[in-house]
Amino acid sequence: AQSVTQLGSHVSVSEGALVLLRCNYSSSVPPYLFWYVQYPNQGLQLLLKYTSAATLVKGINGFEAEFKKSETSFHLTKPSAHMSDAAEYFCAVTPNNPGANSKLTFGKGITLSVRP
Amino acid sequence: KAGVTQTPRYLIKTRGQQVTLSCSPISGHRSVSWYQQTPGQGLQFLFEYFSETQRNKGNFPGRFSGRQFSNSRSEMNVSTLELGDSALYLCASSLVQGSMNTEAFFGQGTRLTVV
Repeated sequence: AQSVTQLGSHVSVSEGALVLLRCNYSSSVPPYLFWYVQYPNQGLQLLLKYTSAATLVKGINGFEAEFKKSETSFHLTKPSAHMSDAAEYFCAVTPNNPGANSKLTFGKGITLSVRP
Repeated sequence: KAGVTQTPRYLIKTRGQQVTLSCSPISGHRSVSWYQQTPGQGLQFLFEYFSETQRNKGNFPGRFSGRQFSNSRSEMNVSTLELGDSALYLCASSLVQGSMNTEAFFGQGTRLTVV
């Protein structure tokens, strides 16, 4: 079974500082990986996705993530945090095989706070 | 292009009642999945419908059911509501290319409170 681990439940950074949110996955074969963001009382918005093409993936709002098979990681980064980045972030995994890849398995989520 | 639309946004129900939630996917998306989000359990997959058939199912009791119509709209039903069913229910739609789903696009969710 696939799983995702997001270490820590809360990260706090200063505005302008580097954002690093960690995600490690467990899967017998390289899966598809995603980062989603959720603002209060909202649904999930896709930030970026890895689907076995380039290992460095660029997403919206200046976020990017690097797939590292050797470390089974897919950490999310942003060079300079903005106040509007404060939200909850979820890493998710889905099988890389037809018919079964509709099921997303999510990590517990990380709340990002940005200090002025 | 309209996004995923979920109705209603908020619901309050009494224990023992049943409830039906609705989801209209993005035009052209034939796969609809449902997720339950709670503070304790996080985001959990309920089930997925594709071409009016349930294709994948999560580990939820039979009180949770769904269906999909020919226009790809989907409904989710929960019978005999329990307090623990209080959650944000999220619907996601995906385009299916070949037999693979593309990324999931989520609606804003329905907040269900059971009292």
